[in-house]
Amino acid sequence: EVRLVESGGDLVQPGGSVRLSCAASGFTFTHYAINWVRQGPGKGLEWVSGVSSSGTGTYYADSVKGRFAISRDNSENTVYLQMNSLRAEDTAVYYCVKRIGPGGFDYWGQGTLVAVSS
Amino acid sequence: QSALTQIRSVSGSPGQSVTISCTGSSSDVGLYDYVSWYQQHPSEAPKLIIFDVNMRPSGVPDRFSGSKSGNTASLTISGLQAEDEADYFCCSYAGSYTHIFGSGTKVTVL
Repeated sequence: EVRLVESGGDLVQPGGSVRLSCAASGFTFTHYAINWVRQGPGKGLEWVSGVSSSGTGTYYADSVKGRFAISRDNSENTVYLQMNSLRAEDTAVYYCVKRIGPGGFDYWGQGTLVAVSS
Repeated sequence: QSALTQIRSVSGSPGQSVTISCTGSSSDVGLYDYVSWYQQHPSEAPKLIIFDVNMRPSGVPDRFSGSKSGNTASLTISGLQAEDEADYFCCSYAGSYTHIFGSGTKVTVL
């Protein structure tokens, strides 16, 4: 059974930092890119970032470029999202998702909430 | 980049068909045959129901179908059932490893 389990969400002040983790199991982790998608309160979905299967390729939405950093540890089947210089508009549930290619995301974690507020 | 445009809500009676459109541009929906659709029930994570425009993952009922014409993709739910009441989001590949989601459509089963 494929499982993606996010952790690390927290209440942080504007300008603060948080690191999200995504622990994966149930599939050959090194074969797949992993992405992060977020959903603001009562809002739609927004693609945030992605990391290639090897970890050498990292990609970001313009809204987070320069502030967020994605990485992966293939020995631990874990993906990380380091989030710096957080803003109120970054408040959202962050989902870790398994990418099947440019065609979509086939498995989603349960999400972890990041709330940015003073 | 703005979200893909979806109608805010649509409704239908059980057994009817509803179609949700997703309009993008020649840089995303119109350029790539990589449109996916996600169903999200309240307080749950989204679930993939269509990928590569018209492919269904294993386990997704065949009453869900996808298509694309030009810059607009569509999701049709045939034989609407009560459990189909949910939010639906489209997503398109936009090049350079980026993706763009739609604004979402709430489907109500009357």
